[in-house]
Amino acid sequence: DAKTTQPPSMDCAEGRAANLPCNHSTISGNEYVYWYRQIHSQGPQYIIHGLKNNETNEMASLIITEDRKSSTLILPHATLRDTAVYYCIVRESDSWGKLQFGAGTQVVVTP
Amino acid sequence: GAVVSQHPSWVICKSGTSVKIECRSLDFQATTMFWYRQFPKQSLMLMATSNEGSKATYEQGVEKDKFLINHASLTLSTLTVTSAHPEDSSFYICSASRRTGGTGEAFFGQGTRLTVV
Repeated sequence: DAKTTQPPSMDCAEGRAANLPCNHSTISGNEYVYWYRQIHSQGPQYIIHGLKNNETNEMASLIITEDRKSSTLILPHATLRDTAVYYCIVRESDSWGKLQFGAGTQVVVTP
Repeated sequence: GAVVSQHPSWVICKSGTSVKIECRSLDFQATTMFWYRQFPKQSLMLMATSNEGSKATYEQGVEKDKFLINHASLTLSTLTVTSAHPEDSSFYICSASRRTGGTGEAFFGQGTRLTVV
């Protein structure tokens, strides 16, 4: 069972920041939050992950609330190539690499 | 990021035949690989965990005799769909995590589109 809740879809204007929310109210202390995305007919692509602290890499930023019950993935400057399904996944620290996917958010970036 | 490669990218087979899909970690060793299946407009469903040198662990509802998994080396896992039928037509995707280093992120292959006719 997926442990996360995401909106089914979002639209975003090209060049603007895209803020993707995720609720994981039942997350436990040893569980990480991972974000992946899947462009149509391709395998999922790793974006970012975090445990407690906010994280940033070349693709995105991850903001985790202090109580860890929700998080937001931020794509700072969305491009048309960012159109994809974005998955927020909670993973136990000892289930190395094992991911259970929920429905995700279909993000459409428009010109 | 690490590279995981699947082969073939797509395959069409006749009903009743078997099809083998390969998953390779190209630049790292993977003690564990995972196999997923994805039907159109649906999310990925975990089928099984492939463990190097031991039997695979299947998720509930996945027929182990139909979906044979072999993980003979630290860089290769194979999924064989036996006696394939049209309802097995799907997008099959594998993933792998680094054996050492990394922080548990999984890297995915590009997927294999199976069509059974």
